[in-house]
Amino acid sequence: DAGVTQSPTHLIKTRGQHVTLRCSPISGHKSVSWYQQVLGQGPQFIFQYYEKEERGRGNFPDRFSARQFPNYSSELNVNALLLGDSALYLCASSFNRASSGNTIYFGEGSWLTVV
Amino acid sequence: DAKTTQPNSMESNEEEPVHLPCNHSTISGTDYIHWYRQLPSQGPEYVIHGLTSNVNNRMASLAIAEDRKSSTLILHRATLRDAAVYYCILEYGNKLVFGAGTILRVKS
Repeated sequence: DAGVTQSPTHLIKTRGQHVTLRCSPISGHKSVSWYQQVLGQGPQFIFQYYEKEERGRGNFPDRFSARQFPNYSSELNVNALLLGDSALYLCASSFNRASSGNTIYFGEGSWLTVV
Repeated sequence: DAKTTQPNSMESNEEEPVHLPCNHSTISGTDYIHWYRQLPSQGPEYVIHGLTSNVNNRMASLAIAEDRKSSTLILHRATLRDAAVYYCILEYGNKLVFGAGTILRVKS
């Protein structure tokens, strides 16, 4: 069975541009979360979506937005890119929403470099 | 946010058990404890999770203190493939709260 898949795997953007990152959860999983991991640090929570609704949001500016589609895949959008947005963006999926003790699986991430 | 505290790094010999400690003194009654590991340039890999009771799976064991303020991940026989950053994480609300992790080095 396919795990959590993310695309693109690597991309380079210029400051001020916009980026869209995509995530397909494990088949049957209804919850998708996004995390940002800056080099040398642990991942930081950005969003959680469950059944197409936002269920949680981390301490990130409004330039970050996301959505979940009827097939439970998800997109993370970042506007007006800053150099500090350069990071590994991770998508995680689980069958149910968080706090239920479900196993949460991560994808391999999308490496974003802002120049 | 609830936080976890782990040693910055640990070293183990191959084929010996490894005990990775984690303190989470501010944990609440409904927070699950998760352990993930991460290799360079890869996403975090699930290891184990639990709430109150000790847990075992094919990868590791998780020992949770009775007051839940600490836990220990046990790798029964370390191999070179176990060298990674190990994160002890609390799940609460709708998110996983990662700490800085422990770099585990395994010597052959």
